[in-house]
Amino acid sequence: KAGVTQTPRYLIKTRGQQVTLSCSPISGHRSVSWYQQTPGQGLQFLFEYFSETQRNKGNFPGRFSGRQFSNSRSEMNVSTLELGDSALYLCASSPDRAGTDTQYFGPGTRLTVL
Amino acid sequence: AQRVTQPEKLLSVFKGAPVELKCNYSYSGSPELFWYVQYSRQRLQLLLRHISRESIKGFTADLNKGETSFHLKKPFAQEEDSAMYYCALSFSGGYNKLIFGAGTRLAVHP
Repeated sequence: KAGVTQTPRYLIKTRGQQVTLSCSPISGHRSVSWYQQTPGQGLQFLFEYFSETQRNKGNFPGRFSGRQFSNSRSEMNVSTLELGDSALYLCASSPDRAGTDTQYFGPGTRLTVL
Repeated sequence: AQRVTQPEKLLSVFKGAPVELKCNYSYSGSPELFWYVQYSRQRLQLLLRHISRESIKGFTADLNKGETSFHLKKPFAQEEDSAMYYCALSFSGGYNKLIFGAGTRLAVHP
């Protein structure tokens, strides 16, 4: 099976702009989670979607949002970008048989905010 | 609140030496513990999870509920083991939310 794919791989934006990142899970996986990875804060959970519903959300401001489509593909959006939003954004998918399944990670989208 | 602590940022060993990467967690219930690894220029991938009790690439980890630890061990380190290692926790009702430790960089020298 093809792995988790994320597009774009690299993105440069300026403060105040908004950005949309895309994630395609492994075929058959219904759960998609998003994480932010920074040198200072490490890996932090953003949110998780299952069957187009957000089931869990991390401690991030409302500028961070996401959605999931009927084919399980997911997008996350960050509005009014700040310098501190520069990070690697990782998407992970899982079969979600039990809610504590193994997560399979994508390569990430490197966002740089200038 | 759930928390995962990896006390060492960097662990430097010589090839053939034993390795132990420490992981302690804080959670009142029964967690699911994982070790993820990130090799240079590769994506984050699962190394092992406690429920499977497998040995992957010679690595093992035992969940010690009394000490709330899930240390990763390998008797003889190889240069190809050099990578970033993350301990992570999930829990029932967390809907696949993973709580990661800060990570430990393992450097294996020839």
